[in-house]
Amino acid sequence: DAGVTQSPTHLIKTRGQQVTLRCSPKSGHDTVSWYQQALGQGPQFIFQYYEEEERQRGNFPDRFSGHQFPNYSSELNVNALLLGDSALYLCASSFIVVAGDQETQYFGPGTRLLVL
Amino acid sequence: AQSVTQLGSHVSVSEGALVLLRCNYSSSVPPYLFWYVQYPNQGLQLLLKYTTGATLVKGINGFEAEFKKSETSFHLTKPSAHMSDAAEYFCAVSARGGGKLIFGQGTELSVKP
Repeated sequence: DAGVTQSPTHLIKTRGQQVTLRCSPKSGHDTVSWYQQALGQGPQFIFQYYEEEERQRGNFPDRFSGHQFPNYSSELNVNALLLGDSALYLCASSFIVVAGDQETQYFGPGTRLLVL
Repeated sequence: AQSVTQLGSHVSVSEGALVLLRCNYSSSVPPYLFWYVQYPNQGLQLLLKYTTGATLVKGINGFEAEFKKSETSFHLTKPSAHMSDAAEYFCAVSARGGGKLIFGQGTELSVKP
């Protein structure tokens, strides 16, 4: 049973560019969350997708956007990259049990983004 | 608003010694609580979680944690440290029912031979 997978593993971009990161959830999971982990910090919640809709959003600017596909995979897009966007981007998947109750989030290995 | 505080950004123990990593949370209602471990250049792995029921929770690799509502704490312990336990440990909280995880700053555990 494959766990959460993310691509690419590493990425180098220049300020002002745009980037797309991809995530495939664990088999049986229908919810995908994205987190940003700056060096030496704990992960910060960006947003969560369920049924192709943004379910929750953290305190991130509109430059950060996402999408969820019918097969539950997801993309994170970041526009107009800043140096401060350099971080490890983690995807986590889970599933909604009943009435919005959500099971444990399982994390992928992350995509390390460096903005020069 | 919920928050998590991990006391001690770095903890060093000898192999075979007790491991104690501290976590305190702030929440208006009892939340769900988690401990995750992160090895270098890897994602997060769930160690254990507390949702409801027994307040002493056992996890993988011999770790356990106790939810103490009166102290708003969820400290992680392991009776005997192993070299392979060296990693970064994160305490996290979510609202009851799940949703976004709010993480502490992390505690780096070093294990000396």
